[in-house]
Amino acid sequence: AQSVTQLDSQVPVFEEAPVELRCNYSSSVSVYLFWYVQYPNQGLQLLLKYLSGSTLVKGINGFEAEFNKSQTSFHLRKPSVHISDTAEYFCAVSGGNYQLIWGAGTKLIIKP
Amino acid sequence: NAGVTQTPKFQVLKTGQSMTLQCAQDMNHEYMSWYRQDPGMGLRLIHYSVGAGITDQGEVPNGYNVSRSTTEDFPLRLLSAAPSQTSVYFCASSYGVGDNSPLHFGNGTRLTVT
Repeated sequence: AQSVTQLDSQVPVFEEAPVELRCNYSSSVSVYLFWYVQYPNQGLQLLLKYLSGSTLVKGINGFEAEFNKSQTSFHLRKPSVHISDTAEYFCAVSGGNYQLIWGAGTKLIIKP
Repeated sequence: NAGVTQTPKFQVLKTGQSMTLQCAQDMNHEYMSWYRQDPGMGLRLIHYSVGAGITDQGEVPNGYNVSRSTTEDFPLRLLSAAPSQTSVYFCASSYGVGDNSPLHFGNGTRLTVT
């Protein structure tokens, strides 16, 4: 069965520092990969997606992610975070049959 | 543009009560779904629909019913509420029904069952 592992439940980082949120998945077939962001007391919104093509995917708010097929990873990065990036970030992989497989989420905590 | 609208925002139920969580979208999306979100568990799919008149079960369907009589609406019914159903519920929709269609989420309903 497919699964998604977000290796860190919380990531504290100072404002203007770089950040990497890690995501690994297990799948034996080609997949589509997504990162969603959830701001406090809101629903989730799409940050970026990998469907095919270039392995470096750029999203909204300066985030990017790199698809690494050999390591089955899809880590999310931002070179310089802002206080407004405080949120929970979810990695998801297409599970087939109209379903996404979700990671447990990583809370990004920005320290001033 | 309203997007995906969920009502109510908050609800408290007693064990055994029933209720309906409402979800409506104005984007003419074919695919609609219900998730529950519990701390440390990510999102779990309850039910989904790929078009009016078509519904199917997700990962955790027990205790919930859905119907899809129109493209716009996808209500979720709790038949007899239990404390284990205390959660935050999200409705989501997408234009396509394939795996590559991004989901649009409502702002959630926070349900407490006592």
